[in-house]
Amino acid sequence: SQTIHQWPATLVQPVGSPLSLECTVEGTSNPNLYWYRQAAGRGLQLLFYSVGIGQISSEVPQNLSASRPQDRQFILSSKKLLLSDSGFYLCAWSVGSGQGAYGYTFGSGTRLTVV
Amino acid sequence: ILNVEQSPQSLHVQEGDSTNFTCSFPSSNFYALHWYRWETAKSPEALFVMTLNGDEKKKGRISATLNTKEGYSYLYIKGSQPEDSATYLCALLYAGGGNKLTFGTGTQLKVEL
Repeated sequence: SQTIHQWPATLVQPVGSPLSLECTVEGTSNPNLYWYRQAAGRGLQLLFYSVGIGQISSEVPQNLSASRPQDRQFILSSKKLLLSDSGFYLCAWSVGSGQGAYGYTFGSGTRLTVV
Repeated sequence: ILNVEQSPQSLHVQEGDSTNFTCSFPSSNFYALHWYRWETAKSPEALFVMTLNGDEKKKGRISATLNTKEGYSYLYIKGSQPEDSATYLCALLYAGGGNKLTFGTGTQLKVEL
């Protein structure tokens, strides 16, 4: 069966520090991978998605970047965090074909607080 | 920017009540609509994926309908139970938009004893 792992669960970081959140998927190949963020009082906002190794699409101009060094690994990074980067970050995967026919599977999320 | 609207924003019902909430969306270039349930301290969980106008889906006491021509979907919960307490999210996929979901802000449901 497919599983998705996301860590860490919570993180408190000072402004200006770097960030690295990792997400890995097991039990599937060639998944589409996504990073979403929920800021306080707002809905889930798509940050990045990837349809393959090294292929990253950015949805929103921001202080963050993403990388996909392996088929089932998706990393969210920042060189210098801002207060506005605080939020709840979710990684998700979906099958790479059959667009829209299947629901996304989400990781357990990371609560990031920038202080 | 796609505008997916959900109403109401929050809802308090008594155990045993039936309830429903709405997802509204632009109808042009519609491809698929997803409903998710997001319980506190857990991951969002897919409930339904709907693609055809007039679709009706059911899972236990929860059901959903879809009207792609007028751009809305309803989620119904029959005989609400405390374990139904969660945020219910709808999300849209559009033709030509890639496999990228655009989420609404959700309806937060609280079922009280």
